[in-house]
Amino acid sequence: GQQVMQIPQYQHVQEGEDFTTYCNSSTTLSNIQWYKQRPGGHPVFLIQLVKSGEVKKQKRLTFQFGEAKKNSSLHITATQTTDVGTYFCAGRVTGGGNKLTFGTGTQLKVEL
Amino acid sequence: GAVVSQHPSRVICKSGTSVKIECRSLDFQATTMFWYRQFPKQSLMLMATSNEGSKATYEQGVEKDKFLINHASLTLSTLTVTSAHPEDSSFYICSAGGPQGLGTDTQYFGPGTRLTVL
Repeated sequence: GQQVMQIPQYQHVQEGEDFTTYCNSSTTLSNIQWYKQRPGGHPVFLIQLVKSGEVKKQKRLTFQFGEAKKNSSLHITATQTTDVGTYFCAGRVTGGGNKLTFGTGTQLKVEL
Repeated sequence: GAVVSQHPSRVICKSGTSVKIECRSLDFQATTMFWYRQFPKQSLMLMATSNEGSKATYEQGVEKDKFLINHASLTLSTLTVTSAHPEDSSFYICSAGGPQGLGTDTQYFGPGTRLTVL
């Protein structure tokens, strides 16, 4: 079945450092979404990417969708303590309806 | 807009009892709702897709008779964990397909229900 892997699994950074998480799917995706889950909380939708090679920005966050639509990345510039949480990508396969397959997640910790 | 609630937020029960979890879309109608399970420090695993007025579609390995899903209205889906056992202890999260205008592909998640079976 479809697998969506993320690396790294964990990342500790000092506040102000940059952070990147990478998402790789075993199959081509129709679109990919990114979610953030704070400790003890539920996933919160961040963004959706649909087009091959698409790049979107939200303030300090930059999201990319690979040309082959099998990988994606999330980059955070100058991390802040409020960025702490686990970041999940979630992919939708063509013909799979609305079903999302979540990635393994990257847990980010930011230290002062 | 696009708020999803879950009730209860936390439940502790004895082994062998059944537990019902409700998922409601508060300010929009959701023809499709999804039920996930998340073990500590792990990802969300889709259990089933719930469509209003029809039978749920379960993912491979998820027992239909163990996890009963009912989607009786456009704003309510329920998950009943029947004869719960300690290995069923987990964080159960529902999501609802977003309303038109906010992106029909978007799923809005409820706050989750933490189930502990003693």
